[in-house]
Amino acid sequence: QKEVEQDPGPLSVPEGAIVSLNCTYSNSAFQYFMWYRQYSRKGPELLMYTYSSGNKEDGRFTAQVDKSSKYISLFIRDSQPSDSATYLCAMSDDMRFGAGTRLTVKP
Amino acid sequence: GAGVSQSPSNKVTEKGKDVELRCDPISGHTALYWYRQSLGQGLEFLIYFQGNSAPDKSGLPSDRFSAERTGGSVSTLTIQRTQQEDSAVYLCASSETRGQNIQYFGAGTRLSVL
Repeated sequence: QKEVEQDPGPLSVPEGAIVSLNCTYSNSAFQYFMWYRQYSRKGPELLMYTYSSGNKEDGRFTAQVDKSSKYISLFIRDSQPSDSATYLCAMSDDMRFGAGTRLTVKP
Repeated sequence: GAGVSQSPSNKVTEKGKDVELRCDPISGHTALYWYRQSLGQGLEFLIYFQGNSAPDKSGLPSDRFSAERTGGSVSTLTIQRTQQEDSAVYLCASSETRGQNIQYFGAGTRLSVL
């Protein structure tokens, strides 16, 4: 079993939809959870960063961590075509990244 | 510069040749990471430098891969006797320190081995 599992998609949604992206992990010791966004031919850039369990909201983006289930989520509300990118989850304690989910938001 | 700089942005080489990829991290960042990203794959950790400590080389896929970091700043990733399976995007990132600190990525070097 990989330490971080992420469905690679691709995921295609209409503009305005709510998007849910998820990762599971196996190491219960992980404390720091991040979501990166990567546009085509660019390096990943940090989108959200959470410590331990709970929710964090930033504009249209919400990150959730459920340590009891070893499950993290990223929600995008009112999705826009500019959100089209690959989203990678990361456990920064151990530099582990998910495979990335490729998202396309269609106008 | 303001961000992590990588060069070259693209590299095409012939099988069996050696290549060097360069990373210039954000000034003041003590931690530097190299990753490999193959088509449709996530980030594969290769090597990690932290200050003057011995690097964590646990992710290097073979002894054809090596990296050094001179003066705690610029890093070079060297691939000897390149193989077609080495074709990928090589990403460098830096952070203030290991652990919870945020990694800032360069745009990567796209390596194609013919």
